[in-house]
Order: sequence, then C-alpha cells, then structure tokens
Amino acid sequence: DAKTTQPPSMDCAEGRAANLPCNHSTISGNEYVYWYRQIHSQGPQYIIHGLKNNETNEMASLIITEDRKSSTLILPHATLRDTAVYYCIVRPSSAGNNRKLIWGLGTSLAVNP
Amino acid sequence: EPEVTQTPSHQVTQMGQEVILRCVPISNHLYFYWYRQILGQKVEFLVSFYNNEISEKSEIFDDQFSVERPDGSNFTLKIRSTKLEDSAMYFCASSPEDGYGYTFGSGTRLTVV
Repeated sequence: DAKTTQPPSMDCAEGRAANLPCNHSTISGNEYVYWYRQIHSQGPQYIIHGLKNNETNEMASLIITEDRKSSTLILPHATLRDTAVYYCIVRPSSAGNNRKLIWGLGTSLAVNP
Repeated sequence: EPEVTQTPSHQVTQMGQEVILRCVPISNHLYFYWYRQILGQKVEFLVSFYNNEISEKSEIFDDQFSVERPDGSNFTLKIRSTKLEDSAMYFCASSPEDGYGYTFGSGTRLTVV
C-alpha cells in the first residue's frame, strides 16, 4: 500500500497558487518524496522530488516539513493545463532491489477559469 | 526534450493471443520499467529492468509476462496468453540513474476481447 495520504480532490482558480498537501508520517530517513501528475489517462509526468530541503524547479516548489512527515506541492500560478491527478510517492533514494513506485489514488486538481 | 516512445498506442487482441508491447526508452537511461493502469484504478508496478536483467517484479508479473531488451534500444513487454483482465493502459518508463524521476511514455491501451 502507498505510504502517503492525500485529499481526493481540490479546486483552484486559474492564476492562483495551488497548494497540494501530502501526509507521509511513516517516512524513513532514506526515503525521498516524489511528485508526479497524470493528465487524463496520459502517461504520468515527473514534477519534482526532495529529501528534506525545500526544492524548486520550473514546474513547481516542494515544501517538506522539518519532521518530514508531510509536504506540500505548490504550483505558483495554476493554469487550466494543470488540471490533473497529482500523486505524492515516497521511495528510497538508493533503492537497491526496491525501485518501484507505489501509487495511491492521488489528488484530482481542477483548475477553474 | 527526450521522450519515451511506446507503440502501438492502442491494441485489440483476442483472449489467449500473445501480444508484444514496445517501448523505446530515452537513449542514455539505464533503468527501465513497466507499469499498468486498469481503467479507473491505481497505477501498478509490473517490473523493473537494469543491466539486462529483471531487478524486481510484482505479483502481477507472473509466468505469462516477460520483458526483453533485444537490441539496446527497444524494451518490450510480452504477454503470452492474454486474459480479459489484462485489459489496461500499459506504461513504459525509464530513468538515468537510480533515485531520479522517471520519464513515462504515453502508454499502450490494451483491450482483450
């Protein structure tokens, strides 16, 4: 089973920031937090990942709490094309024989005009 | 931007027939994966492949499934005798190193009738 908990759905107004929360209270010290999204049955798209420091790239920012038990993905200026299911996944950094991603149901984000 | 290419995009097959799903991972990537997603359900891990061998497989990946990297560029998933319950989207993915985010293909929709 997935080690993360996410709200099933969220709404956001176009142009506003979308803040997607994720709880991962049982995360281990060597596990990263990954975020992917899936737009209407297309292939999942990698967004960002982090260990304990906050991370930012051209798509999003990832804020990880100090205790690492939760994180927030921030889309700073959501557009209609950001409407998708967003998945938060924890996975060891050096996976050895444990390279798989275990997917939950994610958060269905609807960006409204 | 480099892409993972999957063919065909949609395949219909009769129950009991063999199917081969094809993928061309990103050329300098070393880790390869197959996932599937039954309509309306979670994304599920099938198999990971590294250094020309399977590194991990799930319970779904039974004797009816096999993977191959026949020529250094293609990565194939074969289902020997398809069942109705094999109907799903099949996603191929690759990553350059362990721990990096995957790049997924756009998927093959397999319909078993």
